[in-house]
Amino acid sequence: EAGVVQSPRYKIIEKKQPVAFWCNPISGHNTLYWYRQNLGQGPELLIRYENEEAVDDSQLPKDRFSAERLKGVDSTLKIQPAELGDSAVYLCASSPSGLVETQYFGPGTRLLVL
Amino acid sequence: GQSLEQPSEVTAVEGAIVQINCTYQTSGFYGLSWYQQHDGGAPTFLSYNGLDGLEETGRFSSFLSRSDSYGYLLLQELQMKDSASYFCAVRDDYKLSFGAGTTVTVRA
Repeated sequence: EAGVVQSPRYKIIEKKQPVAFWCNPISGHNTLYWYRQNLGQGPELLIRYENEEAVDDSQLPKDRFSAERLKGVDSTLKIQPAELGDSAVYLCASSPSGLVETQYFGPGTRLLVL
Repeated sequence: GQSLEQPSEVTAVEGAIVQINCTYQTSGFYGLSWYQQHDGGAPTFLSYNGLDGLEETGRFSSFLSRSDSYGYLLLQELQMKDSASYFCAVRDDYKLSFGAGTTVTVRA
């Protein structure tokens, strides 16, 4: 069974530029999560989807961040415009509905904003 | 909101036993999960305690005491490959909130 796939693995951009991250969850996992992980910290939830519905986006900085999961499968997280403080690892995770405690993470996208 | 505390670093030798403590303050507590993350890698699920007591999975065990808002992860027979960061995470009804992580370094 394939794991959670994310791309790109690394991204370097200038500040004020846009950037997008893509995630394909494990097949059959209805719940998808986007996290941000700063160096030396644990993952922090940005947004959670149940199928195509964003059920918790309270931690998503909506002035510059957006996300979509149009068909309830893969998802895209976008930042526009990027700021220096957005440099972090962006992790995608998935789980079967209700199994919040057992999440399967992708390898993440390491973003560096210069 | 949630607040979790765990030690930032632990160093031990191969074959030793390490215990990583996690204390938490939260509302709507369902249980405590533990994840391992190697440098540059993805967090991977280790264990979950929804009830008080000890859960054993091979060389790793996890414990929860709801009355003390406390849990721990026990790593036995340490191996070099166990060098990684370990995160406790509080589960409420719909999400996990992670601690800052404990970096475990295993020395030969």
